Amino acid sequence: EAGVAQSPRYKIIEKRQSVAFWCNPISGHATLYWYQQILGQGPKLLIQFQNNGVVDDSQLPKDRFSAERLKGVDSTLKIQPAKLEDSAVYLCASSLDRGLGYTFGSGTRLTVV
Amino acid sequence: AQKVTQAQTEISVVEKEDVTLDCVYETRDTTYYLFWYKQPPSGELVFLIRRNSFDEQNEISGRYSWNFQKSTSSFNFTITASQVVDSAVYFCALEGGQGFSFIFGKGTRLLVKP
Repeated sequence: EAGVAQSPRYKIIEKRQSVAFWCNPISGHATLYWYQQILGQGPKLLIQFQNNGVVDDSQLPKDRFSAERLKGVDSTLKIQPAKLEDSAVYLCASSLDRGLGYTFGSGTRLTVV
Repeated sequence: AQKVTQAQTEISVVEKEDVTLDCVYETRDTTYYLFWYKQPPSGELVFLIRRNSFDEQNEISGRYSWNFQKSTSSFNFTITASQVVDSAVYFCALEGGQGFSFIFGKGTRLLVKP
């Protein structure tokens, strides 16, 4: 089966610009997560979707970050405006259901200058 | 609140040594899942193992083994006869709670020297 697809692979933007990341989970996977991984740290959960509904977005900085999962398939994560501290790898993961283990995409490496 | 603690930030061993990576978790749930992931220098997260809270049987897969002890809330990972290719960051993760949130520890960087 195809893995979790993410694009773009790399992105460099100036602070205060906006950026969007895209994730296409494995077909049929109901659960989707976005994580932020700052260099040298573990992945930090940003938002969890179950189908097209948000289950947990308590750690999403909602003043600048937004995410959606239309039709319970693809998902986009947006940052507007970006700050220097947003420089990180943004990982998308999906699973058939909760508790079954997750497959991660290769991530999008964002550099804010 | 749920929490995963990996107290070892970095471990360095010489090839063929055995090494154990510690993981301690906190949860109030009776049903939860524990995972180990490997993140090599290339950056992708590679799934290694999943354990549910009702299965305390230890598991061995080749040179890898896992010791799950609910009494001490630990899920430790041992690599026997380590190899240079084992060099990576290893993350322990916990899934549980009403919303089944999936959280990671801060990771342990393992360096295996030839």
